[in-house]
Amino acid sequence: LAKTTQPISMDSYEGQEVNITCSHNNIATNDYITWYQQFPSQGPRFIIQGYKTKVTNEVASLFIPADRKSSTLSLPRVSLSDTAVYYCLVGDITMDSNYQLIWGAGTKLIIKP
Amino acid sequence: EAQVTQNPRYLITVTGKKLTVTCSQNMNHEYMSWYRQDPGLGLRQIYYSMNVEVTDKGDVPEGYKVSRKEKRNFPLILESPSPNQTSLYFCASRVANTGELFFGEGSRLTVL
Repeated sequence: LAKTTQPISMDSYEGQEVNITCSHNNIATNDYITWYQQFPSQGPRFIIQGYKTKVTNEVASLFIPADRKSSTLSLPRVSLSDTAVYYCLVGDITMDSNYQLIWGAGTKLIIKP
Repeated sequence: EAQVTQNPRYLITVTGKKLTVTCSQNMNHEYMSWYRQDPGLGLRQIYYSMNVEVTDKGDVPEGYKVSRKEKRNFPLILESPSPNQTSLYFCASRVANTGELFFGEGSRLTVL
């Protein structure tokens, strides 16, 4: 079964670029890698999704190398409101051929003024 | 508006008193799932369903039941709740294999 690893926490300052990397081995070859943001007592919220190379939207970029064994979420010019927990999510195929979603443990990002 | 609706949002109950947390989505999604979230443990999947009448165990299914009789509904059943099931529960849905999950607002359950 796929396993994901993220840093437990990170600190940064307003206006900086923040990069959070998730390592994920043995993920399903035809599935996307997705990142979510979660504020306290709220459900996770979709940020960005990609399959390979680079994807960019209005809030973030996602870098995925060719081997797809990791992905890096990049948040440009963070603000205090970006303080949250960030999760990576990948898909995997189990031993009995069932599809399953695998969550990272989450990275607590704290942005300081 | 596209949404996932959970009820109740907050519940305090006692050990052994059966309860059901409902989840409904209006996006015609095939995939639905339940998670629990506890401090320091991230999101742990309880059960998931790939489509109507198809359910599978997640990482922590013990003490829970689910059913998927209709596409839009995926209730979580605690037949005999225990204090270790005190947690924040999230229901989520998505179109199969797209990766973007839509989450409900959460149900905070306390079992005394």
